[in-house]
Amino acid sequence: AQTVTQSQPEMSVQEAETVTLSCTYDTSESDYYLFWYKQPPSRQMILVIRQEAYKQQNATENRFSVNFQKAAKSFSLKISDSQLGDAAMYFCAYQPYNNNDMRFGAGTRLTVKP
Amino acid sequence: DTAVSQTPKYLVTQMENDKSIKCEQNLGHDTMYWYKQDSKKFLKIMFSYNNKELIINETVPNRFSPKSPDKAHLNLHINSLELGDSAVYFCASSRQGFETQYFGPGTRLLVL
Repeated sequence: AQTVTQSQPEMSVQEAETVTLSCTYDTSESDYYLFWYKQPPSRQMILVIRQEAYKQQNATENRFSVNFQKAAKSFSLKISDSQLGDAAMYFCAYQPYNNNDMRFGAGTRLTVKP
Repeated sequence: DTAVSQTPKYLVTQMENDKSIKCEQNLGHDTMYWYKQDSKKFLKIMFSYNNKELIINETVPNRFSPKSPDKAHLNLHINSLELGDSAVYFCASSRQGFETQYFGPGTRLLVL
């Protein structure tokens, strides 16, 4: 069974600084997708970034980037130049290729200090 | 334009009542989902529909029944509500079953 582990229940970062959120996953598949979703207090689930396992290049979206280590089954999210609006719960998710059974981690609550 | 919408946003009801939550997507996606997020924020998939056919049915009590009148709608009907059903329910959709999922705003259900 695929599981997703986020070992940091809470993280804190100073505004304008950089923070990295950790995620590891367990799978026997070679093809899959990984995601980071953001859930602000409004409860909306917002896609932050997506990574295809067959791509070696790490995905980036503006201030958000990932460090994808396939052999280590690690998928961390780096947020650069943190902003107050980045404060939210962040969920790491795994989805097998050609299968819509997406599994979420327990989430990391990020606080951004002004 | 709202891509994935849910109604109602909040639902407070008594135990043993029957209630429905509606979901609509205007993205032209083929697959829709229902997730449950419990009080500890843990998010778990409940159902998935692809072209009106049920694909996933996790170990969800049969009091929960998804209904898809067409490709753009996936409603969740809950019979005989229990206290443990209190949670936030999210609808989502994707173009194909294995593509990126887009979530609705969630429905907070409180069973008293």
